[in-house]
Amino acid sequence: AQKVTQAQTEISVVEKEDVTLDCVYETRDTTYYLFWYKQPPSGELVFLIRRNSFDEQNEISGRYSWNFQKSTSSFNFTITASQVVDSAVYFCALSDYGAGGTSYGKLTFGQGTILTVHP
Amino acid sequence: NAGVTQTPKFRVLKTGQSMTLLCAQDMNHEYMYWYRQDPGMGLRLIHYSVGEGTTAKGEVPDGYNVSRLKKQNFLLGLESAAPSQTSVYFCASLDRANTGELFFGEGSRLTVL
Repeated sequence: AQKVTQAQTEISVVEKEDVTLDCVYETRDTTYYLFWYKQPPSGELVFLIRRNSFDEQNEISGRYSWNFQKSTSSFNFTITASQVVDSAVYFCALSDYGAGGTSYGKLTFGQGTILTVHP
Repeated sequence: NAGVTQTPKFRVLKTGQSMTLLCAQDMNHEYMYWYRQDPGMGLRLIHYSVGEGTTAKGEVPDGYNVSRLKKQNFLLGLESAAPSQTSVYFCASLDRANTGELFFGEGSRLTVL
């Protein structure tokens, strides 16, 4: 069975601080996908990134960066120079590949981390 | 550019009543999903469909039924609502052919009294 753990329930920082959100996952599959989603106070789910299990390269997108380490089954998310608009709930999620890729959208979500950025 | 649209956005039901949530997508996606979100638990998969006329159970299917009569629509039904089904429901469709991105609707907040 798959499992995603986001041990940090809530994080509070002051604007311009860097913050890292942890994500640890469990799966028996060798082919899988990892995701991060943002859920702002308005409630919608915003896709941030998808990473497959064969691509361990770290990724940077503006102030966002992701560190994927297969050896520790972790896929951590860092926001550099945080801003008030980054305040949201962040979800890490995992899906396996399934027969013919049929499991792509069957995501197992972590519990979410509530990030509050204070001015 | 509607994407994934859910109706209704809010609904209050009494225990035992029935209702249907409608999800519509205009992206010609084959795969569609229904998730529920409860406080502190993230999202959990209820049912999903990999094509018109097909449905399958997810992690928490009990108390729900689904239908996919048309490719663009995925309906979630509650035959006899229970307070435990108070939740926010999200529909999603998958761009499997291109980016692999899961597109979510805005959510439907259901309260069962």
